[in-house]
This record gives sequence, structure tokens and C-alpha cells, in this order.
Amino acid sequence: QVQLVQSGAEVKKPGASVKVSCKTSGYTFTNYGLSWVRQAPGQGLEWLGWTSAYNGNANYAQRLQGRVTMTTDTSTSTAYMELRSLRSDDTAMYYCARIMAGGTGRAFDVWGQGTMVTVSS
Amino acid sequence: SYVLTQPPSVSVAPGQTARITCGGNNIGSKSVHWYQQKPGQAPVLVVYDDSDRPSGIPERFSGSNSGNTATLTISRVEAGDEADYYCQVWGSSSDLHVVFGGGTKLTVL
Repeated sequence: QVQLVQSGAEVKKPGASVKVSCKTSGYTFTNYGLSWVRQAPGQGLEWLGWTSAYNGNANYAQRLQGRVTMTTDTSTSTAYMELRSLRSDDTAMYYCARIMAGGTGRAFDVWGQGTMVTVSS
Repeated sequence: SYVLTQPPSVSVAPGQTARITCGGNNIGSKSVHWYQQKPGQAPVLVVYDDSDRPSGIPERFSGSNSGNTATLTISRVEAGDEADYYCQVWGSSSDLHVVFGGGTKLTVL
């Protein structure tokens, strides 16, 4: 079955960087895009960006431009999200999610279990 | 940027019908997707492309979209349906960004 398994929880200091991984299985990696979504404690869902596993192209949310990079490794069917210059308001659960076949415009049909990132001095 | 507006909360008695709205400018021209999120869990897709259901989602979940409002309808509500629900769309073809609604807490009385 299709699975997205994310890396474990992280605790970082302000100004540091974090890199979250999302290992996929059960489908052809390069046939689907992947999106990243975060959720601050007690808050709603915030879209961060998406990346094509086919060609590596990425598109990021305006408010994170310059601080985030999303990449894919086709040899291991794994996606990565790196966030730099961390601030306390980056504290959140980070999710990867597969974009349904057909690419942009489609829903996110499978989600990872989430990775908690805590930013604290 | 595009904004989606959901009511913060909806309450319904078991066995009744819950309707959760998602408002946006001319949202009827977009494909709307809905997610259910229970406490401590990742979101789950319950309706996509306005009204289609992924496999495994009960027929009690349905969706519609027209004009400035999309609606998720849950018929014969059960206690297990209590959760947060989020609508989601993509921006225009020239703006490949994603927008989520603020979420609606469904309470089963």
C-alpha cells in the first residue's frame, strides 16, 4: 500500500535549520508530486509548497520564499523539506502529502504521519 | 491572494445532517477538496474534485460547489465524525499555490 513515512521529531534553536524527510513506498515516485503542509499547535493547516518528483521543480508559499527548499531523491523515493533561519513561530507539525495523479489542481490523497519541529532557545 | 472562509464550528445531533460551508470568490469555478482531521492524527481526504469520494470513505460524505460556496455534507452523522474539517483549492493557473480554509470543528452533540 502507499505509505509516506516521515523522519522523527526535531528540537532546534532560533536561527538554525531543519531538514525533514518523507520516504515514500508503494507507488512510482516520479509519477506524483509532493506537497508540504504545517500546522502550528491549535491552529489550522498552512500550505508550504510543492515539488515535482518527476523533474524536481518546486513552488513555495510566498511567506516562506527564501527560507525553504524542497527537494526529491529519486534513488530512494524520498522527499525533503529544509527550513532555514528558524523562528519560534515555525514551531509546528510538518506533513508531507502526495498530490493525486494529474498534478496541480488535484487533492492530497495520502499523508505522512507528521514531524514535530520545535524551535526554542 | 485567494481566501477561503469556513465557519469555526458546526454542531449536530447524531443521525442528523451536517453541512459545512467553504466560501470563496467564484469558488464554483475551482475544484474543491475536503479533509477530515481528528485530534493527534494527520488529515484524511474525504471528498475531492467537489464531490468525488476516495475509496473507503462512506457514502454519507458528499460535496457540492456552486457560485461562491462549496459545501461538505455529512448525512446520518455519527459520533466518530467529530473532527476538524478543512476545504482546499489551488490558485489560478498562473499561481500554482494552495489555499486551505481556516477549518471547521464539527461537534456531535
